[in-house]
Amino acid sequence: EPEVTQTPSHQVTQMGQEVILRCVPISNHLYFYWYRQILGQKVEFLVSFYNNEISEKSEIFDDQFSVERPDGSNFTLKIRSTKLEDSAMYFCASSDQSGGAGEKLFFGSGTQLSVL
Amino acid sequence: AQSVTQLGSHVSVSEGALVLLRCNYSSSVPPYLFWYVQYPNQGLQLLLKYTSAATLVKGINGFEAEFKKSETSFHLTKPSAHMSDAAEYFCAVIYGGSQGNLIFGKGTKLSVKP
Repeated sequence: EPEVTQTPSHQVTQMGQEVILRCVPISNHLYFYWYRQILGQKVEFLVSFYNNEISEKSEIFDDQFSVERPDGSNFTLKIRSTKLEDSAMYFCASSDQSGGAGEKLFFGSGTQLSVL
Repeated sequence: AQSVTQLGSHVSVSEGALVLLRCNYSSSVPPYLFWYVQYPNQGLQLLLKYTSAATLVKGINGFEAEFKKSETSFHLTKPSAHMSDAAEYFCAVIYGGSQGNLIFGKGTKLSVKP
């Protein structure tokens, strides 16, 4: 079965540094998402992306965050200046359908970001 | 505000026993409901989904869930647990018009004893 791949699986960075988390969605999918899960807390929606622009974003997704589809295959999440509280597991997902009824998201295995 | 509550962060059953994982949602409009499973070191995998068709939904690996509007519940069950069912299970809800904003519960870790 096709899958969403995320790299790296673990990323350690210093507070204030920029990080880029990379995702390769399933090839014929058009809708892309980032979620995160802080240890011991719920999985939280960050942003959805379609047709080269953000469709929806949560309150978490502030000016420190940005997303990009730099080429036909990658989907990246950039955190400009990391904070301790950005430490979390970040999940990328993709779908061939828009949000709402019948949606099926395929999730990657996540990137564990540790900010020191 | 929409929310999902999963009762019990950790559930332990014996192999062959019934699995019951509870999920309640708060909503003023009919939601679309999902159960996801996460095996160690893997991504979230869709188990089943409710999208206003049949209230009893069958998913993969022998799991099923029943949507009960009167109880605002969507509990996940499996008649007979298998060792391979040990994982973390997440209930999630999405509302029409959203562009992928799944609202997740905190998750329930299922352990299966031999």
